[in-house]
Amino acid sequence: GAGVSQSPSNKVTEKGKDVELRCDPISGHTALYWYRQSLGQGLEFLIYFQGNSAPDKSGLPSDRFSAERTGGSVSTLTIQRTQQEDSAVYLCASSLESVGLTEAFFGQGTRLTVV
Amino acid sequence: DAKTTQPTSMDCAEGRAANLPCNHSTISGNEYVYWYRQIHSQGPQYIIHGLKNNETNEMASLIITEDRKSSTLILPHATLRDTAVYYCIVRASGTYKYIFGTGTRLKVLA
Repeated sequence: GAGVSQSPSNKVTEKGKDVELRCDPISGHTALYWYRQSLGQGLEFLIYFQGNSAPDKSGLPSDRFSAERTGGSVSTLTIQRTQQEDSAVYLCASSLESVGLTEAFFGQGTRLTVV
Repeated sequence: DAKTTQPTSMDCAEGRAANLPCNHSTISGNEYVYWYRQIHSQGPQYIIHGLKNNETNEMASLIITEDRKSSTLILPHATLRDTAVYYCIVRASGTYKYIFGTGTRLKVLA
């Protein structure tokens, strides 16, 4: 595709359920980032992938959050036993650079609502 | 810890230059400053980045002070479509964690 694609665009889930959020980066982009943005707030770093490995997972807020990336392409962010405080827009970005946020492209995000 | 400080909001008249300041006094010597903007309900969009020297591209100019503790993003001729939240971003040294902060909400007025 022409840009970073995220799915679903919206997700409403019941508290305690697990959810999977998907990110399709731009083809050939080795770096991939996950961020989340709560209502009216700035972006909060979650995890960084270089290829299939995640050298920085420091932003994952709890062990309920995990992410993987396969084939150096698609990434999935999984939230287990969702809580209401998990409600936010989850954004994915990819870039050619192995380091740096130079010309990273963001997707439109997945809006997660936990009820 | 790496941190950026920006005004919460600014207004600018259409056609005038918009000057958006950012304080990043804790920046490490080899870390870049990045600027992104986020138009309502969209993902952030890259604008420009710099290390020490001033930079210019088709979207904006970036002025970085000599001590690198602050910078200013300049949109030379603001248009209504430049209304957005502008983020000044630095990396926490030794990590891949880019700190976005709360940004400046720029409103361009007709």
